Amino acid sequence: DPKIIQKPKYLVAVTGSEKILICEQYLGHNAMYWYRQSAKKPLEFMFSYSYQKLMDNQTASSRFQPQSSKKNHLDLQITALKPDDSATYFCASSQAPGQGGEGNQAPLFGEGTRLSVL
Amino acid sequence: GQGVEQPDNLMSVEGTFARVNCTYSTSGFNGLSWYQQREGHAPVFLSYVVLDGLKDSGHFSTFLSRSNGYSYLLLTELQIKDSASYLCAVRLPNYNVLYFGSGTKLTVEP
Repeated sequence: DPKIIQKPKYLVAVTGSEKILICEQYLGHNAMYWYRQSAKKPLEFMFSYSYQKLMDNQTASSRFQPQSSKKNHLDLQITALKPDDSATYFCASSQAPGQGGEGNQAPLFGEGTRLSVL
Repeated sequence: GQGVEQPDNLMSVEGTFARVNCTYSTSGFNGLSWYQQREGHAPVFLSYVVLDGLKDSGHFSTFLSRSNGYSYLLLTELQIKDSASYLCAVRLPNYNVLYFGSGTKLTVEP
């Protein structure tokens, strides 16, 4: 059974619309992340959260807003969608740094949400 | 700026070995991770190293030289199913942020 659940798996949106990408993890982790992978580009870090608090944000645009309603949830709201936002968005989780062995802090990834903006 | 470089492609033969190279130049270093990613799927964690030297994990081994900004992932006794992309990622001093290379697509031929 998948331990990091992302919904939906595929998403098609029109330019200018708004979408929410869902992520839940059942690994008991305290830290959660969002990464983006565009065609022909490396995985790119977007946000990190620990105990539901924002720790780092390397996304230039305010159109991307993470939302954490529970400690094992980290959703991603994207507003005013553009075709350049088309990518696979991966949610990841780990033990918060400082907890457990070094391997325990390596982020584990969900299967991703593939977003296409037309 | 940050830089993590990997060759785009690598080919090898079933039953032999493959070495996936990674060089990095980053503002800070808190370790290096390797992930395997198959087309259309999530990256899967393989290894994390923070100290210099070779870390042997059986089918996968990882080497790190911090002074040279260099790491490699060694796959031994290759199988066809090892064909995948292998991603190198530097863990930055920021809160557990990973800076990824573009990945090396390994093709294992019969």
